[in-house]
Amino acid sequence: EVQLVESGGGLVQPGGSLRLACVGSGFMFRSYWMSWVRQAPGKGLEWVANLKYDGGEEYYADSVKGRFTISRDNAKNSLFLQMDSLRPEDTAVYYCARWIQTYRDFDTWGQGTVVTVSS
Amino acid sequence: QTVVTQEPSISVSPGGTVTLTCGLTSGSVSTHYSPSWYRQTPGQAPRTLIYSTNTRSSGVPDRFSASILGNKAALTITGAQADDESLYYCMLYMGNGISLFGGGTKLTVL
Repeated sequence: EVQLVESGGGLVQPGGSLRLACVGSGFMFRSYWMSWVRQAPGKGLEWVANLKYDGGEEYYADSVKGRFTISRDNAKNSLFLQMDSLRPEDTAVYYCARWIQTYRDFDTWGQGTVVTVSS
Repeated sequence: QTVVTQEPSISVSPGGTVTLTCGLTSGSVSTHYSPSWYRQTPGQAPRTLIYSTNTRSSGVPDRFSASILGNKAALTITGAQADDESLYYCMLYMGNGISLFGGGTKLTVL
């Protein structure tokens, strides 16, 4: 069974940092693009970042560019999101998702991890 | 700045047919944008319904179909059931690695 499990969420003060992790199982992790998508409380989905299977290409939403960094460790089937200079508007559930580059869509989603930015 | 538009809410009667749409504030949606559709119930992660404009994801019943209608992407549900009540999001691939979600449509079956 293809599965994605996120971790690392929590409460952080504005201006602080947090690192999210996502572990994939049941598929050849190193062969897939991976992504982060977030959802603020009571709001819709927002694509955050994509990362190529070999880490060679990365893309970010304008709202996080320059503050967030997506990375991966294929040896550990893991995806990461380093979030710096956090703002209250970054408060959201962060989902890890498998990106299918051929079809430009997400085919598998994790259950999400909650990030709260507040003083 | 281009925004992906969806109806905020739509109602359908049980057994009825309903179409949700996905447009752009600037321009028309075409297969070039590779529209995809996702469903989310409260407190749950999204689930993929449709990808590449009109291909159903594994396990999605054929009551769900999608297409391009005019200048928008469209998701049609035939024979609506009570458990179809959910939030539905479309997503468009804008190019250069960028994807945009619509604001979501809350579907009520009553």
